[in-house]
Amino acid sequence: QKEVEQNSGPLSVPEGAIASLNCTYSDRVSQSFFWYRQYSGKSPELIMSIYSNGDKEDGRFTAQLNKASQYVSLLIRDSQPSDSATYLCAVNIRTDYKLSFGAGTTVTVRA
Amino acid sequence: DGGITQSPKYLFRKEGQNVTLSCEQNLNHDAMYWYRQDPGQGLRLIYYSQIVNDFQKGDIAEGYSVSREKKESFPLTVTSAQKNPTAFYLCASSIRQGTDGYTFGSGTRLTVV
Repeated sequence: QKEVEQNSGPLSVPEGAIASLNCTYSDRVSQSFFWYRQYSGKSPELIMSIYSNGDKEDGRFTAQLNKASQYVSLLIRDSQPSDSATYLCAVNIRTDYKLSFGAGTTVTVRA
Repeated sequence: DGGITQSPKYLFRKEGQNVTLSCEQNLNHDAMYWYRQDPGQGLRLIYYSQIVNDFQKGDIAEGYSVSREKKESFPLTVTSAQKNPTAFYLCASSIRQGTDGYTFGSGTRLTVV
């Protein structure tokens, strides 16, 4: 079982719609969770971090964490063409403090 | 401004040649990491270091070597033993526990010619 799994893409959404990205993780005691955005040919950029159960909102982005279900998600509201990118879920694996990354979900926002 | 600097941005390697990718950070982070990314693929960990003068192999260390003589610097050498080195290489850093996430450099694109 992979440590971090993301819903397979690609995900295509119309402009203005909500894009929903999902991520599950295997380490029950993980405490830190992150979403990175990576544009084609560029390096990943941290867009959200979440540490407690519930929702965390930052502009058009909302991260949701459910530790009991070992599930973290990212919602992108009012999707814009500039949101077209690959989104990486990352989880802090407690045993050696490294981040474990999912394979990424590619989002395309069509005008 | 604090950040991570990778150089060069593009690098071309001839068959049988060793090349070194530079990574420097001024974030005062203890931990540094090297990842490889192939087209359409996720990140694969090559090496990481959580403290000066110490480093550990990641998932795909064969054909690579690193050093960590200074806190700020974590160079990666791609040796001739790495048979398929063409990829996008990313350096990252974090506080030792990684609980604030990683900061990535802008990457080095290595091509074998």
